[in-house]
Amino acid sequence: DSGVTQTPKHLITATGQRVTLRCSPRSGDLSVYWYQQSLDQGLQFLIQYYNGEERAKGNILERFSAQQFPDLHSELNLSSLELGDSALYFCASSSGLPPEQFFGPGTRLTVL
Amino acid sequence: AQRVTQPEKLLSVFKGAPVELKCNYSYSGSPELFWYVQYSRQRLQLLLRHISRESIKGFTADLNKGETSFHLKKPFAQEEDSAMYYCALRSGGGADGLTFGKGTHLIIQP
Repeated sequence: DSGVTQTPKHLITATGQRVTLRCSPRSGDLSVYWYQQSLDQGLQFLIQYYNGEERAKGNILERFSAQQFPDLHSELNLSSLELGDSALYFCASSSGLPPEQFFGPGTRLTVL
Repeated sequence: AQRVTQPEKLLSVFKGAPVELKCNYSYSGSPELFWYVQYSRQRLQLLLRHISRESIKGFTADLNKGETSFHLKKPFAQEEDSAMYYCALRSGGGADGLTFGKGTHLIIQP
């Protein structure tokens, strides 16, 4: 499967903890995007990286950070977790033009 | 600030009936609008983009700048159209993060 992959599929942790979500983009895609999907807020854009550099920021909390590595995979780090951080976290990638974003299957985070 | 509104959380129609999923947006510039679809147990995928003015799986969507709308239409619904539909806006300018509506769950009844 050459599509966007995300690990892990599910993650259960406790409040105050820190977790790392991983995303591997489609082969050749330089842009990676992170989105959070919750019941009350819907799908929200968090952050975009392009070829290792931060390109755009959306509604990303200061407790959250991301990076994109030389092999273009990306990690989203969530720290000091709160109950409200429980959500589906999607990664998407694109090659640029046209700007179609291809989504991964998501990581479901549950904070207890 | 940009916003996308999908007023219907749930829309149920009978097979063969016309479908219209509403999407309104607010954005001061010239946006790019998209429709994404998520079938059961599948990942989110692009259905339509307004720039290409195409018809995919019988669906069309026209950008109406006067009414700031991008409604998705299909003349004859099919059971396989049952899915979650999301309208999204891209502001452009190098920052490609999409602003999504909250989605409409479309159910096609036999």
